[in-house]
Amino acid sequence: DSGVTQTPKHLITATGQRVTLRCSPRSGDLSVYWYQQSLDQGLQFLIQYYNGEERAKGNILERFSAQQFPDLHSELNLSSLELGDSALYFCASSAGQIENSPLHFGNGTRLTVT
Amino acid sequence: SQQGEEDPQALSIQEGENATMNCSYKTSINNLQWYRQNSGRGLVHLILIRSNEREKHSGRLRVTLDTSKKSSSLLITASRAADTASYFCAKVFRGSNYKLTFGKGTLLTVNP
Repeated sequence: DSGVTQTPKHLITATGQRVTLRCSPRSGDLSVYWYQQSLDQGLQFLIQYYNGEERAKGNILERFSAQQFPDLHSELNLSSLELGDSALYFCASSAGQIENSPLHFGNGTRLTVT
Repeated sequence: SQQGEEDPQALSIQEGENATMNCSYKTSINNLQWYRQNSGRGLVHLILIRSNEREKHSGRLRVTLDTSKKSSSLLITASRAADTASYFCAKVFRGSNYKLTFGKGTLLTVNP
């Protein structure tokens, strides 16, 4: 058990809808990362937060947004969903800077857009 | 693209054999990390090797890094059926210290 909790585990929704994915990092970890994993694109970095502030952005679509709250949990909001957004969404946390601290991943949320 | 490649894409071996997976990249790194992913599950960190290190060990795992060739390898010795998983190489590139960039991974199957 990595200590990172993601909810829900599965999500099935229709095109055009909006969903929120939630992540609780490991106790004490200040950094939260979001990744998208699909068969064709592999693991794509979306966004990182550190202690409530956005630290880095990757290939995150404008329809997607995220935030990290004062209690350090994070939410990833996906709107105007398209079929191509179907993927596994992972949250990971780390204790320190990425040069020295590995990422600890949750078990992901599997999103299916129909 | 900075990502580079991992090879092979898939590897099938018998229990007890050694498995070697390779990772290449194109631009300078701060560190390189290996992760394992069991089907449909979250990734698990295996080893982190810094750019000034050449080799690291953890149990049956051995990681080497050759910065002159911009490549790394992961060796699993005396493999077990439980080692069946996808293995990913992830890089922190110089100048992008907040991002860990993953490769496409190697699917390892260890047959009992």
